Amino acid sequence: QKEVEQDPGPLSVPEGAIVSLNCTYSNSAFQYFMWYRQYSRKGPELLMYTYSSGNKEDGRFTAQVDKSSKYISLFIRDSQPSDSATYLCAMRGAGGTSYGKLTFGQGTILTVHP
Amino acid sequence: GAVVSQHPSWVICKSGTSVKIECRSLDFQATTMFWYRQFPKQSLMLMATSNEGSKATYEQGVEKDKFLINHASLTLSTLTVTSAHPEDSSFYICSAEGTGGLEQYFGPGTRLTVT
Repeated sequence: QKEVEQDPGPLSVPEGAIVSLNCTYSNSAFQYFMWYRQYSRKGPELLMYTYSSGNKEDGRFTAQVDKSSKYISLFIRDSQPSDSATYLCAMRGAGGTSYGKLTFGQGTILTVHP
Repeated sequence: GAVVSQHPSWVICKSGTSVKIECRSLDFQATTMFWYRQFPKQSLMLMATSNEGSKATYEQGVEKDKFLINHASLTLSTLTVTSAHPEDSSFYICSAEGTGGLEQYFGPGTRLTVT
């Protein structure tokens, strides 16, 4: 079993839709959770960064963490064609040998069509 | 802020030669840098962690003699792929973490093709 599971999609939605992206994880040592967006042939771009359970909002993006269920989500409101990309969840531990090391999900390919 | 650059962005080399990839943090000092490899339609796999002034820590299964990492300053880390083979062809991405920070910022990646 992978430490981080993410449905690779692909996911196709119409412009303006609300997009829900999810990851589950098995390692309870993970304490920090990130969402990255990666366009084709580019490096990942940090979108959201959360630590505690609950919601964090930034513009059209909302990150949600449920540590009890080991489940994280990213919601995109009013999706735009420019949001079309691969979305990667990533997580890391708080200390020890795992400090700083990110473990990535497989990535979900999202297409927003006009 | 928090810009990370990589050079070159794309390189083609012949089998058996060595290739050096540079990773620079442009507007912050990075005590720790990470090197990842990404195959087509796959996620990022951590290869090694480098700390300024010390030896890199390699992930299990990564050949340290093949992938030489040097982190000579707080703004520069290099990855040298030695005696490259076609199976080393991949997208190599670095990330940098600032002092006291928990976020990692990624470079744009380097596409290596070994013929």
